[in-house]
Amino acid sequence: TAGITQAPTSQILAAGRSMTLRCTQDMRHNAMYWYRQDLGLGLRLIHYSNTAGTTGKGEVPDGYSVSRANTDDFPLTLASAVPSQTSVYFCASSEDGSNQPQHFGDGTRLSIL
Amino acid sequence: GQNIDQPTEMTATEGAIVQINCTYQTSGFNGLFWYQQHAGEAPTFLSYNVLDGLEEKGRFSSFLSRSKGYSYLLLKELQMKDSASYLCAPLDSNYQLIWGAGTKLIIKP
Repeated sequence: TAGITQAPTSQILAAGRSMTLRCTQDMRHNAMYWYRQDLGLGLRLIHYSNTAGTTGKGEVPDGYSVSRANTDDFPLTLASAVPSQTSVYFCASSEDGSNQPQHFGDGTRLSIL
Repeated sequence: GQNIDQPTEMTATEGAIVQINCTYQTSGFNGLFWYQQHAGEAPTFLSYNVLDGLEEKGRFSSFLSRSKGYSYLLLKELQMKDSASYLCAPLDSNYQLIWGAGTKLIIKP
């Protein structure tokens, strides 16, 4: 079925190491998003992309980078992981960056030790 | 600043009706979404309101009052599978979703 695929499902990472979380969608959606979800807090936007070739910073971009080389893929990179980046990361997409509903991947549970 | 306020947890009985309230303050407003999130799973879209009033979709309805900065999600004929967190998320002037922490709904038999 069509949708968003995230990989890996979970990961334990040593502090200081780098890591790329993968996100691929096959719905030909223009807009894609990366969120982190922490207990007791709402989803917080890390980075977004309204169309291939463009990216923007969200609420909590520090320590993360993204690229959008094509429509389908939107990887999130942690250059040098820190324990405060322990979280559940969700990738989402929508038809465009307006008022269309966002569809979410199953998430990546990341622990930084 | 931008702020979303919804109850942390609610309990209801199977077969009953429950109303989950959400108040919001955002920089501009382009509608409001409700999502459902089961424990350990991804959020899934439930409803979108941009005009004042009630939108009904099966057992679920969502209401919006823009002048009051207020919305609610109404769940009827509650089923055990409705046990989940319900996330209120208004869309600000930049078309960014501002997410509440969610209301955990516990359904008891």
